[in-house]
Amino acid sequence: NAGVTQTPKFQVLKTGQSMTLQCAQDMNHNSMYWYRQDPGMGLRLIYYSASEGTTDKGEVPNGYNVSRLNKREFSLRLESAAPSQTSVYFCASKIASNQPQHFGDGTRLSIL
Amino acid sequence: AQTVTQSQPEMSVQEAETVTLSCTYDTSESDYYLFWYKQPPSRQMILVIRQEAYKQQNATENRFSVNFQKAAKSFSLKISDSQLGDAAMYFCAYKTDSWGKLQFGAGTQVVVTP
Repeated sequence: NAGVTQTPKFQVLKTGQSMTLQCAQDMNHNSMYWYRQDPGMGLRLIYYSASEGTTDKGEVPNGYNVSRLNKREFSLRLESAAPSQTSVYFCASKIASNQPQHFGDGTRLSIL
Repeated sequence: AQTVTQSQPEMSVQEAETVTLSCTYDTSESDYYLFWYKQPPSRQMILVIRQEAYKQQNATENRFSVNFQKAAKSFSLKISDSQLGDAAMYFCAYKTDSWGKLQFGAGTQVVVTP
């Protein structure tokens, strides 16, 4: 079982470049999430999609956009990357409100 | 806004011993969920245990158990009979609403020594 798959696993960008992080889940989950993890801090929610066709801002949405392409896929886009967006990005999904989230393996993104 | 606080940046424990990680949270809600996630060096986020606030009984999963004190807004994790494979960063998390958004603490690094 693949679970939640994130691509790429590592990426280095230059300031101002654009990039889309991909996330796909094969568990027929309704809700999907994007988090970022920075040193000394827990994961912080960037955007989420409660169900196919809906997206909402989380705690730190500035500089990002998302697309819920279909039930399986939820992408995160950086239109003009900045060094402050250097982080590890996690995608997660879950099927129902009282169920735990399942996480992907993360994408380490460095912006020079 | 809800906040989750883990006051111990690092905890060290010997193999076979017990270690307790602390977590406190702030909320005005009465119904919510609390979680402990483990993040080993592989970077995976692995669910360790979860607690539903309306349940008074403390959750247990094998060597992992929690001490949930709702009135004190405290949710500690006890790891018994510690093993080398338990070495990881542990995050406490609170589920904020029906959409399942998680609020995480800053994490506690657990070091297991032989």
